[in-house]
Amino acid sequence: AQSVTQLGSHVSVSEGALVLLRCNYSSSVPPYLFWYVQYPNQGLQLLLKYTTGATLVKGINGFEAEFKKSETSFHLTKPSAHMSDAAEYFCAVSVRGSGNTGKLIFGQGTTLQVKP
Amino acid sequence: DSGVTQTPKHLITATGQRVTLRCSPRSGDLSVYWYQQSLDQGLQFLIQYYNGEERAKGNILERFSAQQFPDLHSELNLSSLELGDSALYFCASSASSGNTIYFGEGSWLTVV
Repeated sequence: AQSVTQLGSHVSVSEGALVLLRCNYSSSVPPYLFWYVQYPNQGLQLLLKYTTGATLVKGINGFEAEFKKSETSFHLTKPSAHMSDAAEYFCAVSVRGSGNTGKLIFGQGTTLQVKP
Repeated sequence: DSGVTQTPKHLITATGQRVTLRCSPRSGDLSVYWYQQSLDQGLQFLIQYYNGEERAKGNILERFSAQQFPDLHSELNLSSLELGDSALYFCASSASSGNTIYFGEGSWLTVV
């Protein structure tokens, strides 16, 4: 069965510092992996996704993530944090099955705080 | 704007009552998903429909049911509501399996 573990429920960085949000997954089949962001009182917005091909994936707002199969990881990074990055971030794995199933299994989320 | 529309945005109801949450998927998307987000359980997958048929079931209570109509909109029915059902309910849609899943803004349900 697929699962996702996000290491650290809260991460605090200073504005301009590197952002690193950790995600490890468990999957018996090659996974599709996603990062979503949720701003306060809003829905989930897709940041980036990995399906196949290049393991370094670039997303919106300067974020990127690298799929490392040997480490079963898909960590999210951004070189320089901005105040507007403060939000909750969710890593997810897609459970691909037959008959057009494709639900997402989410991690518990990481709240990113950006200090001025 | 993801293109997924959910109504109502906020709902307050009493224990024991029944409510219906409505979702319009993105134009052309055949798959609809329902998720529940709560503080203690996080984001939990409830159910998926594809072109009107149920395709996957998650941690959905027997008091909850859903359906997808011929025009592809979906409804989530929650009955015999309990305090613990208070949560944010998301609808999401995708063109097909493996495609990106887009989420609506959610429906906040408060049971008092």
